[in-house]
Amino acid sequence: DTAVSQTPKYLVTQMGNDKSIKCEQNLGHDTMYWYKQDSKKFLKIMFSYNNKELIINETVPNRFSPKSPDKAHLNLHINSLELGDSAVYFCASSQESSHGELFFGEGSRLTVL
Amino acid sequence: DAKTTQPPSMDCAEGRAANLPCNHSTISGNEYVYWYRQIHSQGPQYIIHGLKNNETNEMASLIITEDRKSSTLILPHATLRDTAVYYCIVGRYNQGGKLIFGQGTELSVKP
Repeated sequence: DTAVSQTPKYLVTQMGNDKSIKCEQNLGHDTMYWYKQDSKKFLKIMFSYNNKELIINETVPNRFSPKSPDKAHLNLHINSLELGDSAVYFCASSQESSHGELFFGEGSRLTVL
Repeated sequence: DAKTTQPPSMDCAEGRAANLPCNHSTISGNEYVYWYRQIHSQGPQYIIHGLKNNETNEMASLIITEDRKSSTLILPHATLRDTAVYYCIVGRYNQGGKLIFGQGTELSVKP
């Protein structure tokens, strides 16, 4: 079983559309994250949720809205997609009591045309 | 958060030890050193972390200098599958996802 799974793996869409990326972890972790990796390969944190509560919200346009229905899921919804949103989005999870070990999903490559 | 400096790329012969350096001269006393790697088209993978003592696990060894201003990740017997971007990160224990990834070192293991 995949520990952190994201769907879809690939997403191609037009500017202005709204899309969602889903993430699920089966590790029993209490904290989940969304990272964005742009074309220059920089990996930047976007959001972090601990026990369904938002704890990190970096400078991200409010077109991005994370939703955590339960501890095992953290979905990312993006409104009014722009060309600059094209990137690979990684979901990750960790246990608050751990030593900062993050478990990442395989990524979701979003292409906005 | 402290920042790190790594060489952008390194080569290593298969079967030899790969020694990846990292400078973190502004690290503070309660910050850990973490290493992750990202194999092409995959999500980053945790390798190892340490505070001030040297650490070893099944994947690698981490050597931290006494003044904690630099560290070295050692892959004792590099294989072709170790070709990846290696990220050295400093951060606080329990700070969770607030780990700032830099550009990393692109390690190429060659036959």
